[in-house]
Amino acid sequence: EIVMTQSPATLSVSPGERATLSCRASQSIRSNLAWYQQKPGQAPRLLIYGVSTRATGIPARFSGSGSVTEFTLTISSLQSEDFAVYYCHQYNNGGTFGQGTAVEIK
Amino acid sequence: QVQLEQSGAEVKKPGASVKVSCKASGYTFTSYGISWVRQAPGQGLEWMGWIIAYNGNRDYAQKFQGRVTMTTDTSTDTVYMELRSLTSDDTAIYYCGRYYDFLSASIRGIDYWGQGTLVTVSS
Repeated sequence: EIVMTQSPATLSVSPGERATLSCRASQSIRSNLAWYQQKPGQAPRLLIYGVSTRATGIPARFSGSGSVTEFTLTISSLQSEDFAVYYCHQYNNGGTFGQGTAVEIK
Repeated sequence: QVQLEQSGAEVKKPGASVKVSCKASGYTFTSYGISWVRQAPGQGLEWMGWIIAYNGNRDYAQKFQGRVTMTTDTSTDTVYMELRSLTSDDTAIYYCGRYYDFLSASIRGIDYWGQGTLVTVSS
């Protein structure tokens, strides 16, 4: 099974600042990576798929990058509605999620 | 608009089974697959597997092999997930999500999610 490791577990950021979240795969997953945002009491929301393609309706401040085993989600200027938990998800071989990164207000 | 409507909350005793439904609307049901993801209280997301609505082909996470069955009913555009031999560790919210684009044979993440179904396992 492919293991997905996210870092950091918690990220404290001030509104307007940039947030950089990392996700590492235990083996190559090519470009088969997605990112989701989840707020308390809600289902996750798809942000990015194929490493860097924004899903429908996702603002341009969200961007994804990386390849093979190392991936990054960047939020260029954090808005109040962006404070949430973020998960990466590999779908190259079955599927597995990272353990999540909580983005909190500094 | 695309919607996935899940069945209501369940309370089960250890050793029992649960069957959760996920009714799709707003798109051509047989053109996509459906995945199942669960989330224990206060925990992260856990991948359970997925099924292609068109032909019923499925892929289960190794952890759930032998204990989970996913099925589809194309007459009602509904997918079912049955989990057997429940323990307290299976207490979680279970989500279905639209997943695999059958026509292009591609995956673009889970783009639409159901509202979740809380399954509580308690004696």
